[in-house]
Amino acid sequence: KQEVTQIPAALSVPEGENLVLNCSFTDSAIYNLQWFRQDPGKGLTSLLLIQSSQREQTSGRLNASLDKSSGRSTLYIAASQPGDSATYLCAVLGNQGGKLIFGQGTELSVKP
Amino acid sequence: GAGVSQSPSNKVTEKGKDVELRCDPISGHTALYWYRQSLGQGLEFLIYFQGNSAPDKSGLPSDRFSAERTGGSVSTLTIQRTQQEDSAVYLCASSGVSAGIGYTFGSGTRLTVV
Repeated sequence: KQEVTQIPAALSVPEGENLVLNCSFTDSAIYNLQWFRQDPGKGLTSLLLIQSSQREQTSGRLNASLDKSSGRSTLYIAASQPGDSATYLCAVLGNQGGKLIFGQGTELSVKP
Repeated sequence: GAGVSQSPSNKVTEKGKDVELRCDPISGHTALYWYRQSLGQGLEFLIYFQGNSAPDKSGLPSDRFSAERTGGSVSTLTIQRTQQEDSAVYLCASSGVSAGIGYTFGSGTRLTVV
């Protein structure tokens, strides 16, 4: 049974810092991995999608890496801003398709 | 449509009443998913549709919960005889024929059972 873990559960940093959020999964037989952002009281916004054959994806100040064999992904946020404050969720889709399995999320707070 | 649309955005209901939550996926998306997020909790999978059939309904918490999808498009999640523990945000997502394009989520329905 696939399990997804995110560390840390919460993170507070001053504005301008570069930071790394971690995601690990127990079954390496994944189809893809997706990072989402969730603002308080809102739905999920997709940030980056990495296919199992890819090593990383970049969008603006965000970079996500995937090491399928070790069951890990990282989300790197460069030059953090207060507007980056949100909960970041990692989710994997297994090779059989079907449902995304989510981690519990990392709650990020960027202080001005 | 341009995105996944859910209605209502907020619903307050009395304990014991039935509620229906609606999800309108992105046009052409064949897969549709329902998740639940309770206060301070992660996302709990409920049910997944591929077209009009539900290959995986393993996450439905009890027989009070049911869902259907018609015409390969709109889906309705029904909760009968609501309980206070049903209070949560119910999120719907859809994805295309190729799961490789990822999931798009709606803004959710916040259900409060009083």
